[in-house]
Amino acid sequence: EVQLVESGGGLVQPGRSLRLSCAASGFTFDDYAMHWVRQAPGKGLEWVSGISWNSGSIGYADSVKGRFTISRDNAKNSLYLQMNSLRAEDTALYYCAKDMGYGSGSYYARPLDYWGQGTLVTVSS
Amino acid sequence: SYVLTQPPSVSVAPGQTARITCGGNNIGSKSVHWYQQKPGQAPVLVVYDDSDRPSGIPERFSGSNSGNTATLTISRVEAGDEADYYCQVWDSSSDHPYVVFGGGTKLTVL
Repeated sequence: EVQLVESGGGLVQPGRSLRLSCAASGFTFDDYAMHWVRQAPGKGLEWVSGISWNSGSIGYADSVKGRFTISRDNAKNSLYLQMNSLRAEDTALYYCAKDMGYGSGSYYARPLDYWGQGTLVTVSS
Repeated sequence: SYVLTQPPSVSVAPGQTARITCGGNNIGSKSVHWYQQKPGQAPVLVVYDDSDRPSGIPERFSGSNSGNTATLTISRVEAGDEADYYCQVWDSSSDHPYVVFGGGTKLTVL
């Protein structure tokens, strides 16, 4: 059974940093690209970032480019999101999601077939 | 940037058919994926590549895509289908492809 468990969320002041983690199990982690998707309270889904299986292909939404960094550690079956210079508009539930594409060298083009339950990030003074 | 347009809400009686549309410029040339999100839960993929279903998704869920509109069809709607539904495509028009989600449609079962 595929499981994705996010952690690291919390209350943080504007301008500060936070690092999210996602622990994956139930599938061969280093065969798949992974993504972060967020959802502001009462709002829709917004893709944040994606990373290929070997970290060779990475993409970001314009809204986070230059502030957020996605990474992964295949030996630990873990996905990360380093969030710097946080803003109030970054307040959201952050989901980790598995890409459906097997063995793809890129982070894009396939749907997201499994999602974690999310970790809440609140940016406020 | 590529924009996907969904109706904010759709209402249907139990046993009837619900159709949720997703509009985008020449969306028929893209692969469209659909997600169901029930209150307090993570999204679930219900249709991918326009019309394929992941394992475990009932046959009542189907999809189509042509021209400027993709459609998610839910036949014989049940109370448990009440949820928000999101369409999604990849915008690969630039050097840095990104995911585009529609704004979401709230399905109400009357």
